[in-house]
Amino acid sequence: AQRVTQPEKLLSVFKGAPVELKCNYSYSGSPELFWYVQYSRQRLQLLLRHISRESIKGFTADLNKGETSFHLKKPFAQEEDSAMYYCALRGTGANNLFFGTGTRLTVIP
Amino acid sequence: SQTIHQWPATLVQPVGSPLSLECTVEGTSNPNLYWYRQAAGRGLQLLFYSVGIGQISSEVPQNLSASRPQDRQFILSSKKLLLSDSGFYLCAWSQRLTYEQYFGPGTRLTVT
Repeated sequence: AQRVTQPEKLLSVFKGAPVELKCNYSYSGSPELFWYVQYSRQRLQLLLRHISRESIKGFTADLNKGETSFHLKKPFAQEEDSAMYYCALRGTGANNLFFGTGTRLTVIP
Repeated sequence: SQTIHQWPATLVQPVGSPLSLECTVEGTSNPNLYWYRQAAGRGLQLLFYSVGIGQISSEVPQNLSASRPQDRQFILSSKKLLLSDSGFYLCAWSQRLTYEQYFGPGTRLTVT
């Protein structure tokens, strides 16, 4: 069975501090992992996907198959990073995504 | 460019009343379509998805149903609403190749 776990419902960091939002998954095959973000009064939108291996808004995420993790990291948090973050998984050949329960990040000025 | 619309934006309905939420996509053809419910503490829960007209997959057994009468139209329905149906409902679409999902603005449903 597929499962995505985000252990932290709430995370607060100070501006300029490093931030890491945790995501662990359970899947027997080779999954595709994503991070979605929802800023205040905006639509849920894709932030990044592991196959792109790119940095978006200073965020990076590395797929660690050994630890079955896909943690989202940023070295220096900004106030505009405050948002709800969802980790999601797509199984091989699947049409749909499984989302975690989300982490609300608050960056304190 | 592609856009996704949902309506209504907010809805207050009494227990036992019917429900119909509509989602339409513009600027693309043959999309995958999805209905989610976003609840506090429970995250984003996939309710239904569709890969084509008349093709509906249900992820969670419940009081709701979905239909896709046209290629770019996806409808979420209920014959009799329950209090537990209250929540924020999101529609999304994706292209088959990339599977990146694009979300609508959502509908806030309150069942009283």
